[in-house]
Amino acid sequence: DGGITQSPKYLFRKEGQNVTLSCEQNLNHDAMYWYRQDPGQGLRLIYYSQIVNDFQKGDIAEGYSVSREKKESFPLTVTSAQKNPTAFYLCASSPAGELFFGEGSRLTVL
Amino acid sequence: GENVEQHPSTLSVQEGDSAVIKCTYSDSASNYFPWYKQELGKGPQLIIDIRSNVGEKKDQRIAVTLNKTAKHFSLHITETQPEDSAVYFCAAPFSGNTPLVFGKGTRLSVIA
Repeated sequence: DGGITQSPKYLFRKEGQNVTLSCEQNLNHDAMYWYRQDPGQGLRLIYYSQIVNDFQKGDIAEGYSVSREKKESFPLTVTSAQKNPTAFYLCASSPAGELFFGEGSRLTVL
Repeated sequence: GENVEQHPSTLSVQEGDSAVIKCTYSDSASNYFPWYKQELGKGPQLIIDIRSNVGEKKDQRIAVTLNKTAKHFSLHITETQPEDSAVYFCAAPFSGNTPLVFGKGTRLSVIA
């Protein structure tokens, strides 16, 4: 099946720990994105990558890091510098314009 | 950059009635306006989109209208059904290939 796979679906971590969320796509899309979703806040852009080995900061990049070593993969690391990491994280890919989303990863920091 | 305002934040309708959600955007260069539906615990899915050279687009019970002069676009759902209950997001890019900026969402409840 073609699509976007995010893992894990649920993740619990202690405060101060880094955590990496996985995002893989087999749609052959060049562009990939990470959005954060909080209740009543809509979707806010964290990072995006329009081509392998290149990525740009979005509106709320502080405390996050990404890499894009392969076209299919765009992992997001939530670092200990992120002050409020508990949220629903959505990965998406795009051929041009339209976004295709994964099912999301819910991170809870205890 | 682009700013997208979406209203209302919550909407309740009786089954069979119509629902309308409106969005305004700030950048006149924006040229692509999608609507996404998000069910509980899932990722958003595109339900309809419109490009700046078209004023209206329909797909069965859903339609989107675009007014470029006023810089607003709307989602219309007719003959609503309980399965239409979800959160709906509008979005717009700054222009060209820039990432989409999303509205804050509308929680639609269809009451049977």
